[in-house]
Amino acid sequence: AQSVTQPDIHITVSEGASLELRCNYSYGATPYLFWYVQSPGQGLQLLLKYFSGDTLVQGIKGFEAEFKRSQSSFNLRKPSVHWSDAAEYFCAVVGVANFGNEKLTFGTGTRLTIIP
Amino acid sequence: KAGVTQTPRYLIKTRGQQVTLSCSPISGHRSVSWYQQTPGQGLQFLFEYFSETQRNKGNFPGRFSGRQFSNSRSEMNVSTLELGDSALYLCASSWGLAGAYNEQFFGPGTRLTVL
Repeated sequence: AQSVTQPDIHITVSEGASLELRCNYSYGATPYLFWYVQSPGQGLQLLLKYFSGDTLVQGIKGFEAEFKRSQSSFNLRKPSVHWSDAAEYFCAVVGVANFGNEKLTFGTGTRLTIIP
Repeated sequence: KAGVTQTPRYLIKTRGQQVTLSCSPISGHRSVSWYQQTPGQGLQFLFEYFSETQRNKGNFPGRFSGRQFSNSRSEMNVSTLELGDSALYLCASSWGLAGAYNEQFFGPGTRLTVL
């Protein structure tokens, strides 16, 4: 079975500073990895995804993530955060479920706070 | 194109009651998945419906059930509510079966509080 670990429950960053959110996955085969963002009172929005190929993927809102197979990681980065980036961020992996269909398995999330 | 809509947005029930939540997917999407989000357990997959058939199921008791109609709208039902069922219930739709190649679009959720 697949699993995702987000080691940081809460991160506080100053506006304009760089950001890195950590994600580690466990899956026997090549994983399909995703980062989602959830703003207060909202559903989840897909930031970016990795299937194969270039290990550095670009997403929306200036985010990028790097897939590192040797470290089983898929960390999310942004060079300069804005106050509007304050939200909860979820890493997710797709694996094969009992019926042979794919389903998303989410990490527990990292809450990002931005200070002026 | 309208996004995924969920009704109601907020709901308060008491233990032992039952509740039905509704989800309208994006037009043209045939798959609807349901997730439960709680502070303790995070986001957990409940089930997925595609073309009116349950295609995938998470590890939840039988009190949680769902269905999908011919217009792809979906409902989920929770019977005999327990305090632990208090959560944000998220619905997500996708064009095909949810997975790596069919992006899921999430609704804003229904906040269920069980007293």
